[in-house]
Amino acid sequence: EVQLVESGGGLVQPGGSLRLSCAASGFTFSSFHMNWVRQAPGRGLEWVANINLDGTDTYYVDSVKGRFTISRDNTKNSLYLQMNSLRAEDTAVYYCVKNPRDSDYWGQGALVTVSS
Amino acid sequence: DVVMTQSPLSLPVTLGQPASISCRSSQSLVFSDGYTYLNWFHQRPGQSPRRLIYKVSNRDSGVPDRFSGSGSGTDFTLKITRVEAEDVGLYYCMQGSHWPPTFGQGTKVEIK
Repeated sequence: EVQLVESGGGLVQPGGSLRLSCAASGFTFSSFHMNWVRQAPGRGLEWVANINLDGTDTYYVDSVKGRFTISRDNTKNSLYLQMNSLRAEDTAVYYCVKNPRDSDYWGQGALVTVSS
Repeated sequence: DVVMTQSPLSLPVTLGQPASISCRSSQSLVFSDGYTYLNWFHQRPGQSPRRLIYKVSNRDSGVPDRFSGSGSGTDFTLKITRVEAEDVGLYYCMQGSHWPPTFGQGTKVEIK
């Protein structure tokens, strides 16, 4: 059974940092591109970042470029999102999503709240 | 970026009656491999999205056959033949043919 379990969410002040983790199981993690997708409270879904199989290529939505870093550790079957210089508008539930083009499996989400 | 436009954004339906959601893309979703990466998701309150349909018309495992997807190019439709109480929530279309992946605004299905 495919499982994606996010952790690391929480309350952080504007300008602060947070690191999200996603533990993957039930599939060959190293064989799939991975995404982070977010959903602000009461809003729709927004793709945030993508990483290729070995972590050498990454892509970001313009609003997080230079502030967020996506990475992966295939030996630990884990995906990460390092978020720096956080803003109020980054407040959202962040989902770890397998295989961007098909987006077949999603984690339960990690809530990030940026507020003073 | 490819813009995905759903309609309607709100859909009150009667139990047992059909429902239909439209999704239009700003450009063709046919990918270079010949596939059309158009997916449909259902999200219940407080839950993560669950994929229902992939590549336009393929139902995911465990998805009831009252759900069907159709369309081509830039125009796509999700249909529910007979709405059940568990079908309430938000429905999103999503394209994976062009970078970056983009989502429709969401359609809220509720029972009248």
